[in-house]
Amino acid sequence: QVQLQESGPGLVKPSETLSLTCTVSGGSISHYYWSWFRQPAGKGLEWIGRIFTSGSTNYNPSLKSRVTMSSDTSKNQISLNLTSVTAADSAVYYCARDRSFMDVWGKGTTVTVSS
Amino acid sequence: DIQMTQSPSSLSASVGDRITITCRASRNIGRSLNWYQQKPGKAPNLLIYAASSLQSGVPSSFSGSGSGTEFTLTISSLQHEDFATYYCQQSYGTPWTFGQGTKVDIK
Repeated sequence: QVQLQESGPGLVKPSETLSLTCTVSGGSISHYYWSWFRQPAGKGLEWIGRIFTSGSTNYNPSLKSRVTMSSDTSKNQISLNLTSVTAADSAVYYCARDRSFMDVWGKGTTVTVSS
Repeated sequence: DIQMTQSPSSLSASVGDRITITCRASRNIGRSLNWYQQKPGKAPNLLIYAASSLQSGVPSSFSGSGSGTEFTLTISSLQHEDFATYYCQQSYGTPWTFGQGTKVDIK
């Protein structure tokens, strides 16, 4: 079955760029939307945005100025870049297959923003 | 953005209890409402999509109903493994938004 695995630095300095990758196994990333979410410790879920493998993207307006998503079909990966991070961006970050409902999720990766 | 409000924020229940969680949308979203279960340290898990469709592999003790602005998630007989936090999510339009969560713990 389809499995997702997030990867990237666990610690990012303030003002720098957070970069994460989601590697999909057990199926192709083609023909689906893929979303990124985050969840600060002890808080709820926030949608960051999504990408279709054609390159079409939708971003949360609250983060739009700082977010870029991309996909690499040859590696079966999607990526997230979030610029100018602050402590408020510290969270567990998840990728998920987006069929308007999220039916497959990665296990998540914790990102801490600190100097 | 469409605001989603869940109630209650938390509830205490016993094994075998029937519980209901309510989710209200700030405007009409038809049946574009999904429910997730999340356990500590784990990713959310899809339970119900399109308001009442049971995701494959999810026990039939879970059910969803509603349309428009008011939706419910019902667990007909609470099991030990059901103690978790539950979230609703609207899929009527981006940005996708979630309720604040309902934590179900053991009485």
